[in-house]
Amino acid sequence: DIQMTQSPSSLSASVGDRVTITCRANQGISNYLGWYQQKPGKAPKSLIYGASNLHSGVPSKFSGSGSGTDFTLTISSLQPEDFATYYCQQYSTYPRTFGQGTKVEIK
Amino acid sequence: QVQLVQSGAEVKKPGASVKVSCKASGYTFTSYGISWVRQAPGQGLEWMGWISSNGITNYIQKFQGRVTMTADTSTSTAYMELRSLRSDDTAVYYCARGVYIDYWGQGTLVTVSS
Repeated sequence: DIQMTQSPSSLSASVGDRVTITCRANQGISNYLGWYQQKPGKAPKSLIYGASNLHSGVPSKFSGSGSGTDFTLTISSLQPEDFATYYCQQYSTYPRTFGQGTKVEIK
Repeated sequence: QVQLVQSGAEVKKPGASVKVSCKASGYTFTSYGISWVRQAPGQGLEWMGWISSNGITNYIQKFQGRVTMTADTSTSTAYMELRSLRSDDTAVYYCARGVYIDYWGQGTLVTVSS
C-alpha cells in the first residue's frame, strides 16, 4: 500500500498568514492526488484534484502543487473559515490512502 | 445540484450487520463510481473501498470478507454492508463520488455497543 505522510500534523497560524502543508507519498503517484478540508462534525469538502486543480466553487486562495512523491497545499491568506483539518489522498493505486491529516488552528 | 444523501444513524450490537445507503441525485448515477470512507471518533479518514460505475468493487484488505458494496441503478442508490461488527467499527461512514472525490454524503454514524 502507498503510505501518505503529511507534515506538520498540526500548526498554529494567524488570520492573514500564508500556510503550506506538505504531503509525501512513499512511491510515485504522478499527479493523482486530492486535498480535502474537514471542519469538526462535518463531512469533508473536496478542494483540489489532480494535485493542482481546484474543484468548482473553491476559492483561489487555495492552491496545490507537486508531482511524483511530494505535494503541497497552500492557503495564501488564512481566514477564520479556513481553520480546519486538511487531508491528502492518493488515487493512483488501490487501496486509495489518506494522509493522517493536518490540523490548522488559530494562534 | 449533486447530492449524496445517506441513511440515518444506527446502533448495533457486536456481531451484527449494518447496511448504509447513499442516494444520489443531480447527476447520471451510472457515470461515476462511489467510494466509502470511514472516520472513527477523533481519528482520520480511512478509505474502505469503491464500487465503479460498472459495478466492479475493490475493498481494502482489512475489510475483505466483511464488507459488500453494491449499487442499485434503478434508484441511484449505493449501499455498504459491513458484517460481524466489532466495537472498533464505531465510526462515521461516508459515501463519496468519483475516482477523485468531488462530492461527499453527510455521513452516517454507526455505533457498535453491547
